Amino acid sequence: QSALTQPPSASGSPGQSVTISCTGTSSDVGGYNLVSWYQQYPGKAPKLMIYEVNKRPSGVPDRFSASKSGNTASLTVSGLQAEDEADYYCSSYAGTNNLFGTGTKVTVL
Amino acid sequence: QVQLQESGPGLVKPSETLSLTCTVSGYSISSGFYWGWIRQSPVKGLEWIGAISHSGSTYYNPSLKSRLSVSMDTSRSQFSLKLHFLTAADTAMYYCARDLGSSVHDYWGQGTLVTVSS
Repeated sequence: QSALTQPPSASGSPGQSVTISCTGTSSDVGGYNLVSWYQQYPGKAPKLMIYEVNKRPSGVPDRFSASKSGNTASLTVSGLQAEDEADYYCSSYAGTNNLFGTGTKVTVL
Repeated sequence: QVQLQESGPGLVKPSETLSLTCTVSGYSISSGFYWGWIRQSPVKGLEWIGAISHSGSTYYNPSLKSRLSVSMDTSRSQFSLKLHFLTAADTAMYYCARDLGSSVHDYWGQGTLVTVSS
């Protein structure tokens, strides 16, 4: 099983929106509503931002939203802020495995 | 507040066994959920290693299964990883995390860097 595919980078100006895609297969992203998204700052552990496709843990701003269509999941960050500059990873349950995405570096211009 | 802390050697020789321990505070590991290991390297990115349930059932990444063992000591509030027959490809930052199930890791340790080198 291969890693899920994400674009290497994405960017936007403060206040704008940025959307990150996460492409898998029918055996992972497309087969289960079990996609998570993580935010990671340099030198820090990942932080859970979204689980079960579109649910936000307590404390995560509602600027973060997510969805899924077929084998592709998406994370949207609205009203970009400087603190949103980080790496973002998707993850999906895949039956006997859990897969992570290749990661997307979000830059706030 | 749930907290996790990894401990173990930072340098291991090729062909040897890596042993890491994760100590959990703020939650009893025998009460529920799963307790897992994830690693991250510049080459492979984030990779799920495996997990153990609160009742002791284990779940392993198929690509690591033949070399991997995860166990728990509830009396010490710890769970552990053993990875055998190490190669340079196992060099990575190793994280322990609480796993709610189905790829949802809500609390993470700070990570411990493991280098495989002679």
